[in-house]
Amino acid sequence: AQSVTQPDIHITVSEGASLELRCNYSYGATPYLFWYVQSPGQGLQLLLKYFSGDTLVQGIKGFEAEFKRSQSSFNLRKPSVHWSDAAEYFCAVGDDLAGGTSYGKLTFGQGTILTVHP
Amino acid sequence: GAVVSQHPSRVICKSGTSVKIECRSLDFQATTMFWYRQFPKKSLMLMATSNEGSKATYEQGVEKDKFLINHASLTLSTLTVTSAHPEDSSFYICSGVAGTGWETQYFGPGTRLLVL
Repeated sequence: AQSVTQPDIHITVSEGASLELRCNYSYGATPYLFWYVQSPGQGLQLLLKYFSGDTLVQGIKGFEAEFKRSQSSFNLRKPSVHWSDAAEYFCAVGDDLAGGTSYGKLTFGQGTILTVHP
Repeated sequence: GAVVSQHPSRVICKSGTSVKIECRSLDFQATTMFWYRQFPKKSLMLMATSNEGSKATYEQGVEKDKFLINHASLTLSTLTVTSAHPEDSSFYICSGVAGTGWETQYFGPGTRLLVL
């Protein structure tokens, strides 16, 4: 069964500093990988996804993530963090039930809480 | 993006009572909705997959008689926690699928359940 590990429960950075959130996955085939952000009172929002192709994917809000098969990792990065980025971030792997890129089940990591200091 | 709402946002109930949580897709039709449970400092755990007009598919270890799911329309799915106990206290999140792509799964804001 697939699994996702986010080693860092809580990360604190200063506004304007760079950010990297770690994610490691376990999956038997080529994974569908996702990063979501959850702000208080709001639903999970998709930041970016990786299905295939270019291993560096760009997402919304200036985030990017790099898929590294050799390391089973899909780390999320942002070159300069804004105070509004403070939230909880979840990495997830998708189980393609229907073949192709149709939706399926998501397995989430434990989440990383990001605090941004002014 | 599409919007999914949940009601109530938080609920406190006594042990032994039942609680219903509603999940609505406000601006799209969701033939499939997912229900997740999130424990403190833990990841979201998929509980069940709900398809409109048919019985929900529960994940291994989830009691279907305890967590009743009804997906009666394309915009509404409900989760009823029956005979709730303190160990059922958790954060419940639903999502609705608007189309056929992974990016079309939209999440509700969650419902905090506290059973006393």
